[in-house]
Amino acid sequence: GIQVEQSPPDLILQEGANSTLRCNFSDSVNNLQWFHQNPWGQLINLFYIPSGTKQNGRLSATTVATERYSLLYISSSQTTDSGVYFCAVEGVTGRRALTFGSGTRLQVQP
Amino acid sequence: GAGVSQTPSNKVTEKGKYVELRCDPISGHTALYWYRQSLGQGPEFLIYFQGTGAADDSGLPNDRFFAVRPEGSVSTLKIQRTERGDSAVYLCASSLLHRGYEQFFGPGTRLTVL
Repeated sequence: GIQVEQSPPDLILQEGANSTLRCNFSDSVNNLQWFHQNPWGQLINLFYIPSGTKQNGRLSATTVATERYSLLYISSSQTTDSGVYFCAVEGVTGRRALTFGSGTRLQVQP
Repeated sequence: GAGVSQTPSNKVTEKGKYVELRCDPISGHTALYWYRQSLGQGPEFLIYFQGTGAADDSGLPNDRFFAVRPEGSVSTLKIQRTERGDSAVYLCASSLLHRGYEQFFGPGTRLTVL
């Protein structure tokens, strides 16, 4: 099946700093989503982005499908950005469900 | 409803007991998914429904796990003879259609098997 790798596994930032999270995947995809899992375990949809670039406030994401990677940018980080960020993909072939990476655990310190 | 709902939010049971976990998807969504998340890991696929039928149950770990969606809306995940290794958060997601559509997740059911 499709493989998903996220980096870095852990990230500690000072409030106000910027960061880039990376997601590499092993095959062509027809779905790629970025999630933020809050401390209560809820998966919050950030972006649905199988290709292209999107922006939502301080967050933006870019997926380069031909090179099989996606980037999530967080600017001017806040303590409420803390949590785990997951990238999840659905391959063009194979299982019709999301395969998740192992996540990036982000801690934003005041 | 406005989002995916799951009940109960927490379930504590004893080894060997039977449990049922319920998922109510977003109204109008035809595809429904169950995932399981163990501590420190990303969610892992269990089963996927398109309408009433299980289109792919290849993620179910063994025959103690079963899921139904009899009317194409609410789904129930059933676990027989629970084991301590079944302890995890069980997540449900739905999407408008299958194959490439954005999935939305419920808050999960935290299952603890003592």
